[in-house]
Amino acid sequence: GAGVSQSPSNKVTEKGKDVELRCDPISGHTALYWYRQSLGQGLEFLIYFQGNSAPDKSGLPSDRFSAERTGGSVSTLTIQRTQQEDSAVYLCASSSLNTEAFFGQGTRLTVV
Amino acid sequence: QKEVEQNSRPLSVPEGAIASLNCTYSDRGSQSFFWYRQYSGKSPELIMSIYSNGDKEDGRFTAQLNKASQYVSLLIRDSQPSDSATYLCAVSTSGTYKYIFGTGTRLKVLA
Repeated sequence: GAGVSQSPSNKVTEKGKDVELRCDPISGHTALYWYRQSLGQGLEFLIYFQGNSAPDKSGLPSDRFSAERTGGSVSTLTIQRTQQEDSAVYLCASSSLNTEAFFGQGTRLTVV
Repeated sequence: QKEVEQNSRPLSVPEGAIASLNCTYSDRGSQSFFWYRQYSGKSPELIMSIYSNGDKEDGRFTAQLNKASQYVSLLIRDSQPSDSATYLCAVSTSGTYKYIFGTGTRLKVLA
């Protein structure tokens, strides 16, 4: 596609429910990132996929968070048993190796 | 020490002035450096990339890289109110090429 596509753009969920956020990177980009941004805060790194290498999961805040990338393309970030503190904008970015990363428009998650 | 550091104090400059934004990084092997602009409620967008020591100019923007001192800066000439945003510095780490972002500096250009 022309850019990084994320869906849904907005998600409201009840506390305790599971949610899945999707990221479709730019075609041919080998690297894919997930970040979280709370209101007025900086980018918080969550997970990094690079080609066929094992993902860098060092930023995942708890075991309720997981992500996968199927076929080296689309990625899904799953949050289980959502909590109110999970409310944030979740941003996905993709890049070729060692070149600039491009961001999707984000998914705004609200846990009520 | 944070891997990528930016001044968290907001910067205000008058319209037409030069805005100077700075960033330092800890990984001496880093090879790629980026500046992103993020408007409130929007995603970060790439402004400049720089890979070698020295200056790189693009319109009103100049990125400066000094690998020996481990800092990268962004100069915005003839600042406009539309430049008001948060500016994020990103560094690609050696080996893994993972991008590390600074926390950003909020710029306000006063009309």
